[in-house]
Amino acid sequence: GENVEQHPSTLSVQEGDSAVIKCTYSDSASNYFPWYKQELGKRPQLIIDIRSNVGEKKDQRIAVTLNKTAKHFSLHITETQPEDSAVYFCAASKSNGGSQGNLIFGKGTKLSVKP
Amino acid sequence: DTGVSQDPRHKITKRGQNVTFRCDPISEHNRLYWYRQTLGQGPEFLTYFQNEAQLEKSRLLSDRFSAERPKGSFSTLEIQRTEQGDSAMYLCASRPQGPNTEAFFGQGTRLTVV
Repeated sequence: GENVEQHPSTLSVQEGDSAVIKCTYSDSASNYFPWYKQELGKRPQLIIDIRSNVGEKKDQRIAVTLNKTAKHFSLHITETQPEDSAVYFCAASKSNGGSQGNLIFGKGTKLSVKP
Repeated sequence: DTGVSQDPRHKITKRGQNVTFRCDPISEHNRLYWYRQTLGQGPEFLTYFQNEAQLEKSRLLSDRFSAERPKGSFSTLEIQRTEQGDSAMYLCASRPQGPNTEAFFGQGTRLTVV
C-alpha cells in the first residue's frame, strides 16, 4: 500500500521567513495530494491540495509543488506569521486501482513561528 | 451542526474492558475513514469504508479492533480487551464521492486506558 514520508518533523522559523515541508510517496498511481493544518486541540483542516495534472498551486502565502517523476511534493509558506504555528500533515490518495480512495497521511511537521 | 460528529469526545476505561465509538459523517459523504492519532503524530490509518463496504483495513490493526458501517451512514469502531497502548485520539473523517475530494474530520474521541 501507499507510504507517505514527511520531513522535517519539527521546524522553527522567524516571523516573516519562509517555511518548506517536504513529502515523498511510494505509489506512483497516487494522484491527489492534500495538506492539512492541525492547531493544538483541534481537528485537522484542509489548507491546500494539488492534483497530479499540475505541478504547482498557490493560494495567497501558501503554495504546493508536485514532482511526479520523483514522487515528492512540498508545502511552501511565505511571510510566516505566529498564527501559522501548528502541525502540518501531507497526504496522498488515488482514484483508480487497489486502495482506490484511501487517504494516507505523513507523520506531520510541527511548525513554530517565532515573533 | 452539519459536520462530522463523533461520540463520545472522551472515554476513560480500565484495561481489559471493551469500548465502542461512534462516527456520524456528513450525510452525503459515501466514504468514511478511521484514524488513530497520538500526540504530535500524523493520523495513522485504521480502516476505510465506501458506503457499507469495508474496503481496506490496516495490516497493523490487531484483531481486537473491529469497525462497522451497517447502513452506509454512521460507523462504529470497537476495541476489545483494551490495552494501555490503545490510549490515543481516534479520528473519523468523511469524504464525498469523486477522485479528488476533501476529507472532513470529526473532533475525535480521546481514549485513555488506565
